[in-house]
Amino acid sequence: ETGVTQSPTHLIKTRGQQVTLRCSSQSGHNTVSWYQQALGQGPQFIFQYYREEENGRGNFPPRFSGLQFPNYSSELNVNALELDDSALYLCASSLDTAGVYGANVLTFGAGSRLTVL
Amino acid sequence: GENVEQHPSTLSVQEGDSAVIKCTYSDSASNYFPWYKQELGKRPQLIIDIRSNVGEKKDQRIAVTLNKTAKHFSLHITETQPEDSAVYFCAPPESLIFGTGTRLQVFP
Repeated sequence: ETGVTQSPTHLIKTRGQQVTLRCSSQSGHNTVSWYQQALGQGPQFIFQYYREEENGRGNFPPRFSGLQFPNYSSELNVNALELDDSALYLCASSLDTAGVYGANVLTFGAGSRLTVL
Repeated sequence: GENVEQHPSTLSVQEGDSAVIKCTYSDSASNYFPWYKQELGKRPQLIIDIRSNVGEKKDQRIAVTLNKTAKHFSLHITETQPEDSAVYFCAPPESLIFGTGTRLQVFP
C-alpha cells in the first residue's frame, strides 16, 4: 500500500505567475482534500474532490482551482500568484464511504512548499 | 458553517505530567472526532479518534473523551514525554476544518 505523494516538494515562483501542484492519493482512497498551511498556522481547507467533482470549498478565491482524475490523483492550480500564497500546500486523501467507521480520516502527503517572491 | 475552537493555544508541561487539550465544535451533525499530531516540519498524522456513540477511547498514554451535549471533545495525554512535543489539531471530518491548533512543549 502506497501513501500520499506530492510533487514538487519545493518551488519558487514570482508574483503573477501560475503554479500547478500534484497529488497521488493513497491506494484505495477516492477523495482528495487540499490545505494551505502558512508558517506557524493550522491547515486551512481549500477544497475537496470526490469522483472528479469539487465536493466542498473553503474561503479561497477562484484563482485557486483543482482537478481530480479517474485514478483519483489531483492537481491544485493557483493563478496570479500573490506573496501571501507562500505556504506549505498539503494534500490529504480519504475514503469517502458514508457510515463506515474510519471513513473520512485524512492521510496527508508531505506537502509542497511554495515560495512566492 | 462549522466553527471549531481549540484551547489552549500553547501548553507547556514537565515530562511525566498530563496534558489536556479541548476542542469545541458547532455542527451537531458531527459524528466522528479525530485528533491529529504535527511534529515540526512533518505532515499531520491521525493519533486517535472517537465516534459519537462512545464517550471515551484510550490508546496507551492518549485518550479522547466526547461530550456531545456540550459539543466538545478533549485529548488527554498522560505521562508526557519529550517526543509528545508537537502541534495538535482537532478536526470534525464532516467539516474538514481544523481547529486552531495547540502547541505542546514537554520539558525534560
